[in-house]
Amino acid sequence: NAGVTQTPKFQVLKTGQSMTLQCAQDMNHNSMYWYRQDPGMGLRLIYYSASEGTTDKGEVPNGYNVSRLNKREFSLRLESAAPSQTSVYFCAIKTGEVFHEQYFGPGTRLTVT
Amino acid sequence: GQQVMQIPQYQHVQEGEDFTTYCNSSTTLSNIQWYKQRPGGHPVFLIQLVKSGEVKKQKRLTFQFGEAKKNSSLHITATQTTDVGTYFCAEETSGSRLTFGEGTQLTVNP
Repeated sequence: NAGVTQTPKFQVLKTGQSMTLQCAQDMNHNSMYWYRQDPGMGLRLIYYSASEGTTDKGEVPNGYNVSRLNKREFSLRLESAAPSQTSVYFCAIKTGEVFHEQYFGPGTRLTVT
Repeated sequence: GQQVMQIPQYQHVQEGEDFTTYCNSSTTLSNIQWYKQRPGGHPVFLIQLVKSGEVKKQKRLTFQFGEAKKNSSLHITATQTTDVGTYFCAEETSGSRLTFGEGTQLTVNP
């Protein structure tokens, strides 16, 4: 996935632990997004950032915080993980100016026990 | 909640058969995007439809946007094993946010 990298690829947490999911792009685009995908479901938007220094809530923001300190990086933080946050997390960037397609990273598979 | 409903949830076909997935909304869509996600992979953009009644083709894939811009479909002619995956439609809302349908999971028996 040249262009959008996510770390870590896999993570197991215990309930109550905290962690930060990292996303970085080398494609110089303004808009970045965090989604979660639960088994058998579509992607749901957690937070997004239209530009450096700005963030907005998506459909399911509760239990998460984000940080967009520069144009390249957009991080997602779980302050106190819960089993309900077990999911696959995808970071995406909006790459198209005419067609507003989004380009996704490889994902982070998180399990909270 | 989700504004786009996608059917069917699952579809099993024999290789060579056709496949269609449908995306429906109760409201008028500004545009609709389609993505494909291979098992264990990430979503990959296929196409965006903007105009009422629009039809676009990509090799064996045909995408349609309804006249009222409330529904869309993806049709695959003569499926191949490489078509296996989950196909999602997504509505673009303000801020270029996407609201995804739940997807149609396609399996192809060789």
